[in-house]
Amino acid sequence: AQKVTQAQTEISVVEKEDVTLDCVYETRDTTYYLFWYKQPPSGELVFLIRRNSFDEQNEISGRYSWNFQKSTSSFNFTITASQVVDSAVYFCALPVTTYSGAGSYQLTFGKGTKLSVIP
Amino acid sequence: DTGVSQDPRHKITKRGQNVTFRCDPISEHNRLYWYRQTLGQGPEFLTYFQNEAQLEKSRLLSDRFSAERPKGSFSTLEIQRTEQGDSAMYLCASSEGTRVLDTEAFFGQGTRLTVV
Repeated sequence: AQKVTQAQTEISVVEKEDVTLDCVYETRDTTYYLFWYKQPPSGELVFLIRRNSFDEQNEISGRYSWNFQKSTSSFNFTITASQVVDSAVYFCALPVTTYSGAGSYQLTFGKGTKLSVIP
Repeated sequence: DTGVSQDPRHKITKRGQNVTFRCDPISEHNRLYWYRQTLGQGPEFLTYFQNEAQLEKSRLLSDRFSAERPKGSFSTLEIQRTEQGDSAMYLCASSEGTRVLDTEAFFGQGTRLTVV
């Protein structure tokens, strides 16, 4: 069965510091996707990235970067020069293998990491 | 169309009452998902529709829960005889395409249910 572990429950950093959020996953699938979502206080889950297991290259998007390491089943997320607006709960997620075909967004989420960026 | 819309945003009900939530997905999205999120936890999958067909149901979806998507557009989630353990945020999401996971799923802001 799929499982996602986010060991860090809460992290506090001072603005402009870099911060890395850890994600470790378990899956029996040979090919799979991994996701990160951001949930600000408003409650809406905001999509950040979707990564296919075929592609192990690190990805950078502005101040965000992701380090995918299949050998250690990790998909860590780094925010560079953090800002107060980055304060949110961040979730790592993995699709469940379903029987309905064509895949679905039936996702297994980790418990999330609450990031607080202090001005 | 600005995104996935959920109504109401907040609902307080007495134990034993029935409640119904509505989700309006992004108009061209044929797939719709319901999730439940309790405090301090990640969202947990409840059910999934492709057009009007309910293709997946979680074990979390007890007999008191029922979801419909009658015309393949909006969806409703009904909880009968609510219990305090039903208190949670109920999230709806939608996505499109045949190769589903190649596209993004968009989530609504959720309906927060409090059972007193």
